[in-house]
Amino acid sequence: QLQLRESGPGLVKPSETLSLTCTVSGGSISTHTYYWGWIRQPPGRGPEWISSIYFSGSTYYNSSLKSRVTISVDTSKNQFSLNLSSVTAADTAMYFCTRHKTFSPFDPWGQGTLVIVSS
Amino acid sequence: EIVMTQSPATLSVSPGEAASLSCRASQSVTSNLAWYQQKPGQAPRLVIYDASTRATGIPARFSGSGSGTGFTLTIDSLQSEDFAVYYCQQYNTWPPGAFGGGTKVEIK
Repeated sequence: QLQLRESGPGLVKPSETLSLTCTVSGGSISTHTYYWGWIRQPPGRGPEWISSIYFSGSTYYNSSLKSRVTISVDTSKNQFSLNLSSVTAADTAMYFCTRHKTFSPFDPWGQGTLVIVSS
Repeated sequence: EIVMTQSPATLSVSPGEAASLSCRASQSVTSNLAWYQQKPGQAPRLVIYDASTRATGIPARFSGSGSGTGFTLTIDSLQSEDFAVYYCQQYNTWPPGAFGGGTKVEIK
């Protein structure tokens, strides 16, 4: 059974870079047809897709965040990562990693990790 | 950009009754629509995809309908474990599309 688990600091200072890693177990990140993505959910609000990556390195970004986001994959570790630069309090949210295909829903999801932006 | 709008924001239902949740898209998403269930402190869980197909392990009391711009999630005979927030999401565009604002199904 495929499992995803997010890891990273729970507290980031304003203007710094948020860095998270998703570790995939129970399956290979190099499987053809699957994309690996990040989604965030601010407190009390709906989810927002941030970015996705294919194992070959092709990347896709939400246009509203594109200037601050970098996604990368490490197939040797079966992991993919997210960097979000110049964070503000508005970036405080639960961050989830997930898997999907083209024109398909997100499934499954990791348990999520709460990131608070505060000095 | 396609905007997804859910209604109502909150639905109060007694256990054993049915619930009907609405999701509207600002333009057609054909049948490329999913519903997710989210309980407090948990990640969203896929319930319905392709507008009307139940995901693995989802009970038959959950059903989805609609196409184009209007969609409905119906939960028959609500059980205690069904009280949660439900989100719709369109995936007719690439990269992946937006989620709705959610409908909270609460105990009446």
